[in-house]
Amino acid sequence: DAKTTQPNSMESNEEEPVHLPCNHSTISGTDYIHWYRQLPSQGPEYVIHGLTSNVNNRMASLAIAEDRKSSTLILHRATLRDAAVYYCILSTIQGAQKLVFGQGTRLTINP
Amino acid sequence: SAVISQKPSRDICQRGTSLTIQCQVDSQVTMMFWYRQQPGQSLTLIATANQGSEATYESGFVIDKFPISRPNLTFSTLTVSNMSPEDSSIYLCSVAVPGAGRTYGYTFGSGTRLTVV
Repeated sequence: DAKTTQPNSMESNEEEPVHLPCNHSTISGTDYIHWYRQLPSQGPEYVIHGLTSNVNNRMASLAIAEDRKSSTLILHRATLRDAAVYYCILSTIQGAQKLVFGQGTRLTINP
Repeated sequence: SAVISQKPSRDICQRGTSLTIQCQVDSQVTMMFWYRQQPGQSLTLIATANQGSEATYESGFVIDKFPISRPNLTFSTLTVSNMSPEDSSIYLCSVAVPGAGRTYGYTFGSGTRLTVV
C-alpha cells in the first residue's frame, strides 16, 4: 500500500481557512487521493477525493500537486464542528479496495 | 451512500467471554470491512468480508480470535473471542459502494466501544 505522511496535529482559528497537507511521494498512476475525517466518538466520514485535478465540494477543496506527490485539503472557513482527525488515504482505481489508515492530522479549532 | 447500523454501540464484558458485533447495511454491498481502533490510535483493518467466501484477515489477526460471518449482502458479524483487557477498543464496520467514475465510496458504522474487565 502506498504510504501517506501528514502532520500529527494542526491548530487554527474559527472562521479562518485551514490547509491540511499530505505527502504521498510513492503514489501510482492508478491511486485516488481520499480524505476522510473522524469527529469525536464517531466513525470516519467521507470528505473529498480526487485523481489529478483539483476538486471542490460543499465541505472542502482538494488541491493536488502537478506531480501528484502531495495534496492539500482546504477548509475555506473553519467552524468548531470541523475539529476532528483528518486522514489522507490512497486507494487504487482498480475496484473496491481496503482503506489503510495512517495516523492522520488532529485539527483543533480555536473559538 | 449506504447507511450502516452497528450493534451494540457499547458493552462491558468479562475477560474470557466472547462478544458478537452486528453490522446491518441498508443496501446490498459486495465488500465489507472490519476495523479496530485502540484508544488514542488510528484505525487498523482486521479483515475484509465478502459474501459467499471466507474473510481475508490482515497480518496479526486470526480467524480463531476474530471469526467473521457474512451470510448475505447486507449483514455481517464480527466476534471477539476469549476476550482480554487488551481487546478493549472501538470496533467499526465499513462498506464500499460504487461512486462517481471508477471510484468507490466508503461508509463507516458508528462503532462498538468494547471494554473488557
